[in-house]
Parts: sequence; C-alpha cells; structure tokens
Amino acid sequence: DVKVTQSSRYLVKRTGEKVFLECVQDMDHENMFWYRQDPGLGLRLIYFSYDVKMKEKGDIPEGYSVSREKKERFSLILESASTNQTSMYLCASSEALTGELFFGEGSRLTVL
Amino acid sequence: AQSVSQHNHHVILSEAASLELGCNYSYGGTVNLFWYVQYPGQHLQLLLKYFSGDPLVKGIKGFEAEFIKSKFSFNLRKPSVQWSDTAEYFCAVNGNSGTYKYIFGTGTRLKVLA
Repeated sequence: DVKVTQSSRYLVKRTGEKVFLECVQDMDHENMFWYRQDPGLGLRLIYFSYDVKMKEKGDIPEGYSVSREKKERFSLILESASTNQTSMYLCASSEALTGELFFGEGSRLTVL
Repeated sequence: AQSVSQHNHHVILSEAASLELGCNYSYGGTVNLFWYVQYPGQHLQLLLKYFSGDPLVKGIKGFEAEFIKSKFSFNLRKPSVQWSDTAEYFCAVNGNSGTYKYIFGTGTRLKVLA
C-alpha cells in the first residue's frame, strides 16, 4: 500500500519558534508537495519539488522554506512561526506532475 | 486567472437521496480533472479522475462525474448516498498548459443523515 507519512500529527509552537514538518513517501515518486488547508479556502500550494534539491514556489511561499535532500523526504520549514501560520499542513507526492496526488494524514500546527 | 469553483459549501442529505456537487473551472489548455474526498479523520484520497476519452467517469463507492467541456464543468454525482459518504469533497484541475499546478476548489462538506 502506498504511503505518505508526516512525522507529526499535532504540534503546538510559540510565535518566533522554528518549526520543521517532515514528510516521507515510499513510492519512489519524483514530485512532492506541501499544501496548506484552511476552512473555506481549500488547499493552497506552498512549495513543490520535482527532483532532489529542486524546488519551486507555489501560491503562498512567504514565511516558508523547504528542503529535499533525498528523494523520499520533503521538509517544510517555518523559520519564525507566526499565529497566521496556524493551519493544517498536507504533504503529497505524485509520479507525474499532472497525475494523481497521494496525501499524508496532515500535520495540524497551532502557533500561540 | 486559473480557478475552480465549488458552488455548494455545505450539503445535508438524508440517506438514499441523490447527490450532485457542482464544479466549474477556469483553466487554459488541456485539462485533467479530479475529485478528491476526505473522510473524517482520514487523509485526502482520489475519488475519480478524467484525463481524456469518455466524459462520464466512474470512481470508487458508486460515484461518477461528467466532464462537460462547453460548460467548463465536472460535476460529481451519486444516485443514492449513504451515511458513510459523509466527508469533504474537493474538485481539482491541472493541465498541460505549461503549468505544474493543481488548482483546488474550496471544498464541499457533505453530511448524510442516517
């Protein structure tokens, strides 16, 4: 069974803290994505990566960075967390950029 | 601008009622269309997809969707819903117009009453 695993389901952080969200996929997919899911706004793309060490900005990259040192792992970094980054973060992977997305279970981040 | 509109934000139905969730998109070029579903406490998963061919596509759990190119629509249907269909449904589009992006709709929360 294909799997995208996000390391933390729930996190509570304080304003200004550095936050790491980890995502690992076991499908040997080239492409990995980080989305943010907010009620009434759907899913918004933060960053994506189409290869190791390659990354592209999505629609809302401000305040975020990413790292992809290995094919199976894609990390989202909040350099200095702010309260408006309280959200559900979803990692996904796909074999093709226009193909089916496989999602992780999400990481719910609360920034106090 | 590229966009996906889901007209119904919240839908409440009784079991055995028929379902139709609207989805309209604005996207240049050839499109691929998707419906994803998120059951309570679970991850988003693919319900069905359209890439080409027969515009009526069938997905899991008795769902189907029809691509009407002239209307830029990809509505989701199910003849008879069950309590277990309670979930949030997202329409999404990507394409071959040189952009990588999936564009997601804002989602429709469906509640089915037993």
